[in-house]
Amino acid sequence: DTGVSQDPRHKITKRGQNVTFRCDPISEHNRLYWYRQTLGQGPEFLTYFQNEAQLEKSRLLSDRFSAERPKGSFSTLEIQRTEQGDSAMYLCASSVRDSYGYTFGSGTRLTVV
Amino acid sequence: TQLLEQSPQFLSIQEGENLTVYCNSSSVFSSLQWYRQEPGEGPVLLVTVVTGGEVKKLKRLTFQFGDARKDSSLHITAAQPGDTGLYLCAGANTGGFKTIFGAGTRLFVKA
Repeated sequence: DTGVSQDPRHKITKRGQNVTFRCDPISEHNRLYWYRQTLGQGPEFLTYFQNEAQLEKSRLLSDRFSAERPKGSFSTLEIQRTEQGDSAMYLCASSVRDSYGYTFGSGTRLTVV
Repeated sequence: TQLLEQSPQFLSIQEGENLTVYCNSSSVFSSLQWYRQEPGEGPVLLVTVVTGGEVKKLKRLTFQFGDARKDSSLHITAAQPGDTGLYLCAGANTGGFKTIFGAGTRLFVKA
């Protein structure tokens, strides 16, 4: 069990560019979650997958954001046409079905300049 | 919309002191979790409480879930510098998905 891995750890991008983040969950976990955390705040829910199905998306997830989890393994989160307001820590977590506790990755810190 | 309010937002204490942080909501949750987060890292799960009135202990940390399952507290006895961090409470409904988080209590323990 190597935990939840996120890549990259840090990303600096210019406004208007597209970025993609990757998350590798714990292998036996069938649920995967994406959260966003800004300075001084707790994580905010973005979306979650059960296996390969994306079952819920937050209203925070504008049409510039898309997430996939092909084959129910790793997941990607893409942000198109980044804006300065997208600067945040993007956290991925995984769990087994019906488990209340999550295992989080170390996050990807996005800075849009 | 379900919200979790944590208090205090910031706490700075001396090593050896006791402290309690609170997590309150007007909504009922099926379970509540406490996490600790260090700068630049993801939150780490400390405990999950499920039953109203439940008390769990983890070494010097005591967690309590309110009888009505709307609030929780975390008590730390004899705080140590290693306890420094952001303490987050999180509430979940049946099924465990779409957990919502409070804004956290930032604790600093001075040696």
